[in-house]
Amino acid sequence: QSVLTQPPSVSAAPGQKVTISCSGSSSNIGSHYVSWYQQLSGTAPKLLIYENNERPSGIPDRFSGSKSGTSATLGITGLQTGDEADYYCGTWDSSLSGVVFGGGTKLTVL
Amino acid sequence: QVQLQESGPGLVKPSETLSLTCTVSGYSISSDYSWDWIRQPPGKGLEWIGNIFRGANPYCNPSLRSRVTISVDASKNQFSLRLNSVTAADTAFYYCARRLPGGDWFDPWGQGTLVTVSS
Repeated sequence: QSVLTQPPSVSAAPGQKVTISCSGSSSNIGSHYVSWYQQLSGTAPKLLIYENNERPSGIPDRFSGSKSGTSATLGITGLQTGDEADYYCGTWDSSLSGVVFGGGTKLTVL
Repeated sequence: QVQLQESGPGLVKPSETLSLTCTVSGYSISSDYSWDWIRQPPGKGLEWIGNIFRGANPYCNPSLRSRVTISVDASKNQFSLRLNSVTAADTAFYYCARRLPGGDWFDPWGQGTLVTVSS
């Protein structure tokens, strides 16, 4: 059981937009930055979004992040087949004094 | 360019100790970043194991704390993980990663190494 809650799966057609939610509490998302990671099949996770809505160099602006209260959202526009992956949210949790992750969301581009 | 690479045995017997090393290149491990371990059982989600910061003050996930040791060898720019009394539940991909304290995002990650606990 993960501390942060994500939908197990989402799907959309190529070219469409999808959002992935990440729900937490006041001790984690409510008071700390959220980051998002993309994990392509058989590879290590890769940083996609940091500090709620910042993109690292090289990440296209099709990817966006937002946070409101104790929830965060990853948005992906102009979906491509290459976006098929597992996506994880993560943040610090003050109660646990450690990093916590969501259970992951599998994105299928139909 | 910062790179991290995990190394260690891929097979560990139950009740024994899992030992992994992460070699960092392109950045000093004595800097103001945290150096962390994360694991992922096959087909499952990510679990933060613990970290070491500025070569000292290791801190671990409370659920693993009694079994985990994290240390640094600054002369080799490496940090290590030891997990004792392993069981099949510890079978996982183990990743090392750099984390910015405060921002708490991981970048970059090592490629990961699969450790299987089996007799």
